[in-house]
Amino acid sequence: NAGVTQTPKFQVLKTGQSMTLQCAQDMNHNSMYWYRQDPGMGLRLIYYSASEGTTDKGEVPNGYNVSRLNKREFSLRLESAAPSQTSVYFCASNPGPYNSPLHFGNGTRLTVT
Amino acid sequence: AQSVSQHNHHVILSEAASLELGCNYSYGGTVNLFWYVQYPGQHLQLLLKYFSGDPLVKGIKGFEAEFIKSKFSFNLRKPSVQWSDTAEYFCAVSREYGNKLVFGAGTILRVKS
Repeated sequence: NAGVTQTPKFQVLKTGQSMTLQCAQDMNHNSMYWYRQDPGMGLRLIYYSASEGTTDKGEVPNGYNVSRLNKREFSLRLESAAPSQTSVYFCASNPGPYNSPLHFGNGTRLTVT
Repeated sequence: AQSVSQHNHHVILSEAASLELGCNYSYGGTVNLFWYVQYPGQHLQLLLKYFSGDPLVKGIKGFEAEFIKSKFSFNLRKPSVQWSDTAEYFCAVSREYGNKLVFGAGTILRVKS
């Protein structure tokens, strides 16, 4: 029972490069989320998908795009990476649509040089 | 917009000391409240949650939290901490029928053995 799986675990990019962070959950959850975690700032919501086929912006969406590929998968894309996007990225899911506690993946540590 | 404030960024305690971590939120409507914990090198895990009913909620590992509506607070407590409680603790709030969870900046707890 894997829960929420994120790939890769670590990534180093140069400014301007692009990449996609992958997330998959095997709990048949409706809602999925992408957060970034920065020291002293807690977790900030980038984008979320309340259900398959929908996506919405969170607190800090600039510089990111998302795709809810199917019910299981929710990817986060950085089209042109910037040093300000150096962070730890967490994917999470919950049964939805409201209030259910989040289940988190193990995170992706991204460094942009 | 909602915001969540955690009063202390770093707390250092000796084993067996009592713990209280403060959390205040700014939203005036009905809310759902959570405390998450992140042990070193791990992802966030749910400690406890409050949706309605008894404002004193008990979670895992001996933690409890009290919701005081008049003070917009949801403080986390533990009577006697252990070295294994060393972790970062996050308070989070969502609206009653909301999809988005807003996190506080986190409190890093270090317990000295």
